[in-house]
Amino acid sequence: DGGITQSPKYLFRKEGQNVTLSCEQNLNHDAMYWYRQDPGQGLRLIYYSQIVNDFQKGDIAEGYSVSREKKESFPLTVTSAQKNPTAFYLCASKEGGTTEAFFGQGTRLTVV
Amino acid sequence: KQEVTQIPAALSVPEGENLVLNCSFTDSAIYNLQWFRQDPGKGLTSLLLIQSSQREQTSGRLNASLDKSSGRSTLYIAASQPGDSATYLCAVLKTSYDKVIFGPGTSLSVIP
Repeated sequence: DGGITQSPKYLFRKEGQNVTLSCEQNLNHDAMYWYRQDPGQGLRLIYYSQIVNDFQKGDIAEGYSVSREKKESFPLTVTSAQKNPTAFYLCASKEGGTTEAFFGQGTRLTVV
Repeated sequence: KQEVTQIPAALSVPEGENLVLNCSFTDSAIYNLQWFRQDPGKGLTSLLLIQSSQREQTSGRLNASLDKSSGRSTLYIAASQPGDSATYLCAVLKTSYDKVIFGPGTSLSVIP
């Protein structure tokens, strides 16, 4: 089945640690996105990538890093510089042109 | 900068009612607009995609309209059911490979 897979579903991080959230898609989409969602709030864009080996900062990129070495993969690293990382993280992908965006099921990150 | 708002923030209706959710955006130069549904703790499910050249799209009991000149879209849900209870988000895309900007969502509760 085609789709977007995020893993893990739940992730716990100790303060000061870096953690990496996985996002894989087999839809052959060029563009991929990472969003953060806090309780009662909308989605805020962290990073996005329009093509392999290229990515752009979104509205809240500080404390996060990404890579796009393969078309199907867009991992997000939450670094120790992110002061408030507890949130729900969503990955999305889309083709160019007039196509719709598709989302994964999300990763809930909690700092303990 | 594109800003997307949604009214109301929350809505509670009895089963069977027809209802309208509103989405407004500040920059009318959009490529398309997409409506999503999000269940608690889950990812986003695409409901309807309206291209900038279209006025409306329909899928079952859902109808979405788009008025670019006024910066508005509405999602009409006919004969609401308890299973429609979820958060509904609208999102706009400025160019085919640009970032997708989300509204804060409307939380809908349909009472049996």
